[in-house]
Amino acid sequence: QVQMVQSGPEVKKPGASVRVSCKASGYTFTTYYIHWVRQAPGQGLEWMGIVNPSGGDTTYAQRFQGRVTMTRDTSTRTVYMELSGLRSDDTAVYYCARFDYGWGGHDHWGQGTLVTVSS
Amino acid sequence: QSVLTQPPSVSAAPGQKVTILCSGSSSNIGNDDVSWYQQLPGTAPKLLICDNNKRPSGTPDRFSASKSGTSASLGITGLQTGDEATYYCGTWDRSLSVRNWVFGGGTKLTVL
Repeated sequence: QVQMVQSGPEVKKPGASVRVSCKASGYTFTTYYIHWVRQAPGQGLEWMGIVNPSGGDTTYAQRFQGRVTMTRDTSTRTVYMELSGLRSDDTAVYYCARFDYGWGGHDHWGQGTLVTVSS
Repeated sequence: QSVLTQPPSVSAAPGQKVTILCSGSSSNIGNDDVSWYQQLPGTAPKLLICDNNKRPSGTPDRFSASKSGTSASLGITGLQTGDEATYYCGTWDRSLSVRNWVFGGGTKLTVL
């Protein structure tokens, strides 16, 4: 079965960087794009960007450009999201989600990774 | 401020029906398909409806959706306490030079 397993919670100081991983299994890794979505405490879903596991090409939401980098490692079937210049308002749960263009939606999600930014 | 507008909350009694609206523009809903997600408290979102009105396997037929012009709606009939969740609409937005995905602000459903 399809699974998206993310790395564990992180606590970072302001100005630091964080890298969250998302390991995919149960399907052909290079066939589906992966989106990253975050959710601040008590807030809604915020789209961060997308990575193509096949070619590695990316599209980032404008508000994160210059601070976010999404990469993939096809040998380990893992995608990564790195966010730099962390601020307190980056405290959120970060999700990876597989996008199925056939269905037109995010059909499998990781369990979420809590990133806490605090001095 | 979300590009897609949803009411912050809706409520109804068990067994009743509720409709959640999602309003957008020609840059998003007007030109692309809409999907809906259900997020139960403390869990990751789950795809509920895709391609405007298609139910993935596992989505009960109590859930339905439609799209007209630049708006979409999600309907839930026979409400159950287990339906208490936050519901999000989502679609592609073309207002920038590249397509970005956008979510609505979310609607919290309370089953009284």
